[in-house]
Amino acid sequence: GENVEQHPSTLSVQEGDSAVIKCTYSDSASNYFPWYKQELGKGPQLIIDIRSNVGEKKDQRIAVTLNKTAKHFSLHITETQPEDSAVYFCAANANNLFFGTGTRLTVIP
Amino acid sequence: SAVISQKPSRDICQRGTSLTIQCQVDSQVTMMFWYRQQPGQSLTLIATANQGSEATYESGFVIDKFPISRPNLTFSTLTVSNMSPEDSSIYLCSVEDPISGTYEQYFGPGTRLTVT
Repeated sequence: GENVEQHPSTLSVQEGDSAVIKCTYSDSASNYFPWYKQELGKGPQLIIDIRSNVGEKKDQRIAVTLNKTAKHFSLHITETQPEDSAVYFCAANANNLFFGTGTRLTVIP
Repeated sequence: SAVISQKPSRDICQRGTSLTIQCQVDSQVTMMFWYRQQPGQSLTLIATANQGSEATYESGFVIDKFPISRPNLTFSTLTVSNMSPEDSSIYLCSVEDPISGTYEQYFGPGTRLTVT
């Protein structure tokens, strides 16, 4: 089955700086890669996704890049704000969604 | 995206008892999923529930422990049976986007279960 690795497990940045979270996957058949943000006490919220026929996608302050050859994809958050603080999960779809282990992002005001 | 609600939002249960968690969606969806998220951990798929067919369970999860119902296209239940403290987790339902129908999953708020 699919194996998704995510790092770092924790990340602290100053408000206004950028944050980058990286994931790798194992199954070359995976073709859909979403990112979820989970705030305390809430369910995961889909914030951006990318499909295998696209190398990069951007939505305001967040962007995702995908390198299918190397089997890795990354989430980039620019101009971070305190409300960006949460746990972020990457996932890869190979029949089902397989999730990474999560990154706890803390944005320091 | 679909609006998903779950009941109860949290519960504290005694070992050996069972709890049924409800998931309600505001639109008809084909694919519904149940996940478990142990404290501080990632999400693990328990099973996929399609209306009109038996749920499909992932490795490590069995129907006797986690029976699932899917009576219609907007509702599903997950029962956690004969609970032990190891079942203490957040249980999440999700649905595949009814519009695009392609992989995008949206999650409910979760049910926080503590077994004593």
